Amino acid sequence: SQQGEEDPQALSIQEGENATMNCSYKTSINNLQWYRQNSGRGLVHLILIRSNEREKHSGRLRVTLDTSKKSSSLLITASRAADTASYFCATDASSGYSTLTFGKGTMLLVSP
Amino acid sequence: DGGITQSPKYLFRKEGQNVTLSCEQNLNHDAMYWYRQDPGQGLRLIYYSQIVNDFQKGDIAEGYSVSREKKESFPLTVTSAQKNPTAFYLCASTGQGNTGELFFGEGSRLTVL
Repeated sequence: SQQGEEDPQALSIQEGENATMNCSYKTSINNLQWYRQNSGRGLVHLILIRSNEREKHSGRLRVTLDTSKKSSSLLITASRAADTASYFCATDASSGYSTLTFGKGTMLLVSP
Repeated sequence: DGGITQSPKYLFRKEGQNVTLSCEQNLNHDAMYWYRQDPGQGLRLIYYSQIVNDFQKGDIAEGYSVSREKKESFPLTVTSAQKNPTAFYLCASTGQGNTGELFFGEGSRLTVL
């Protein structure tokens, strides 16, 4: 089954810096989603970008999608210590109800 | 408040025992899902259900069973046939007409002793 692969696997930055995470996938998609997971907790949906969209913003989050390269990036601007978490991309190739396929995630550490 | 409740949060089991993980949602969502997460790994789909009394196998269904007798409930049984059951299990749901966003519970961590 198709799977998103995040890069880098781990990222360590200082508060105030920007964090960029990348996701590559293998087959055509309807949409791509980003989720956040704090250690030992459930995932929380951050943002969804459809295959006909190139860029989307939500607060300090900016997501881009390049379907020709089968890749997406998540940018977190002005990071905070509270942004420390794992971030996953998930691809949806279905019509109707989702059967998302998740990548292995990027672990982000933001130091004060 | 609307949401998904998983229980128990932590569970210990001896080898050879079956164990059932509970997942309840009050979001009036039609579709529910079970994922497994191993350390440093992404989520892998075990089973999903789009309607009451119907469910489909995901990528790693062997050694697991589910039921969907009520819209609100989607319990997962980890059977003794599952060779490596120690993992973090996540339940999720999404509603009809939804954009595809999944709502997750807080997870159940199963440890086989």
